Amino acid sequence: DQQVKQNSPSLSVQEGRISILNCDYTNSMFDYFLWYKKYPAEGPTFLISISSIKDKNEDGRFTVFLNKSAKHLSLHIVPSQPGDSAVYFCAASVLDTGTASKLTFGTGTRLQVTL
Amino acid sequence: NAGVTQTPKFQVLKTGQSMTLQCAQDMNHNSMYWYRQDPGMGLRLIYYSASEGTTDKGEVPNGYNVSRLNKREFSLRLESAAPSQTSVYFCASSESTAGKNIQYFGAGTRLSVL
Repeated sequence: DQQVKQNSPSLSVQEGRISILNCDYTNSMFDYFLWYKKYPAEGPTFLISISSIKDKNEDGRFTVFLNKSAKHLSLHIVPSQPGDSAVYFCAASVLDTGTASKLTFGTGTRLQVTL
Repeated sequence: NAGVTQTPKFQVLKTGQSMTLQCAQDMNHNSMYWYRQDPGMGLRLIYYSASEGTTDKGEVPNGYNVSRLNKREFSLRLESAAPSQTSVYFCASSESTAGKNIQYFGAGTRLSVL
């Protein structure tokens, strides 16, 4: 049972345009969401996060939007650059469970930014 | 800053062989994790250690054992490797498992079991 889903395995965007990566979740208990970026032969690196008390978080070219009613979040990259070409993972967790808070990852979306 | 260091980077095993994947972090983090990544599956948690001296099962623990040797080191052992354990293994660490759990990952170990 995939609790965090990234339905688009790949996305191709021209340099300078907006990239929109989508993520859906099924567990309504999730209240903290993260995006990780992964280059080939490297480990994932943290990009940006959002807690459920917000619907938007921005960091430079990267913005994450959260729609709790739809159980959907998206990552916007504006403008897209060739160095953004990577695999992006969405992850979710439940804060303050009283036990260990673990991340549940989606399957990833490969973004290719073309010249 | 080294961050999270995994050894080895690559390994080929025969079915039934054993091996230990090593992981060390230099960020003074309390919590450490082992994941495997398979095509189309994302990252799945094998085991984690919330703090030194404790370990717990994750989503896919069968066929693996772990040891939290000290605060810095967390090893993953395959006692009798099977082809289904062919995967890329990532170690991660975080300040704790509570709160906003941002994990920092190593570069991975690519394991093939023939």
